[in-house]
Amino acid sequence: GENVEQHPSTLSVQEGDSAVIKCTYSDSASNYFPWYKQELGKRPQLIIDIRSNVGEKKDQRIAVTLNKTAKHFSLHITETQPEDSAVYFCAAVVLGSSNTGKLIFGQGTTLQVKP
Amino acid sequence: DAGVIQSPRHEVTEMGQEVTLRCKPISGHDYLFWYRQTMMRGLELLIYFNNNVPIDDSGMPEDRFSAKMPNASFSTLKIQPSEPRDSAVYFCASSWTGTGGTEQYFGPGTRLTVT
Repeated sequence: GENVEQHPSTLSVQEGDSAVIKCTYSDSASNYFPWYKQELGKRPQLIIDIRSNVGEKKDQRIAVTLNKTAKHFSLHITETQPEDSAVYFCAAVVLGSSNTGKLIFGQGTTLQVKP
Repeated sequence: DAGVIQSPRHEVTEMGQEVTLRCKPISGHDYLFWYRQTMMRGLELLIYFNNNVPIDDSGMPEDRFSAKMPNASFSTLKIQPSEPRDSAVYFCASSWTGTGGTEQYFGPGTRLTVT
């Protein structure tokens, strides 16, 4: 089955710096890669996602890149702010015709942005 | 819409007792997912339903766990008998089939403590 490895487990940056979180997956059939943000004591929420037919996607200060050949994808946060502090989870899934599938999550990265 | 609703938000019970967690998905969503989150194991999928039918229950840890979805607006996850190692946050999530149906919307979670 699918296995998703996420690194680093913790990441501390100064406000304004960039943060990068990397994930690798094992199932070459995976075709959808979402990133979820979970603030302390809150629920995970989708922040950005990418499908396998796209190499990069941006949304304001966040971007995700995908390398299908190497089976890895990364989350990039630029100009980090204290409110970016949270746990970030990557996930991989094989989407079927129903456009839904079983998400396999990475172990999470705790990002701390120091003011 | 109120989002995904879970109850109770907190549950403390003694080992051996039966525990029932409840979830109401977002109206119109046809997929429902049950996740368990712990520090050791991260965020793991237990079971998911499509149109009230269980599709994949391979993540259910053992026979002590069971889940039902009697109708489109209600699901339960039952643990009987409960054990201390079941202590975790249990999330319910829902999504909708269709071009925009890949995002899973999580509920606030139920924090279960088994003593």
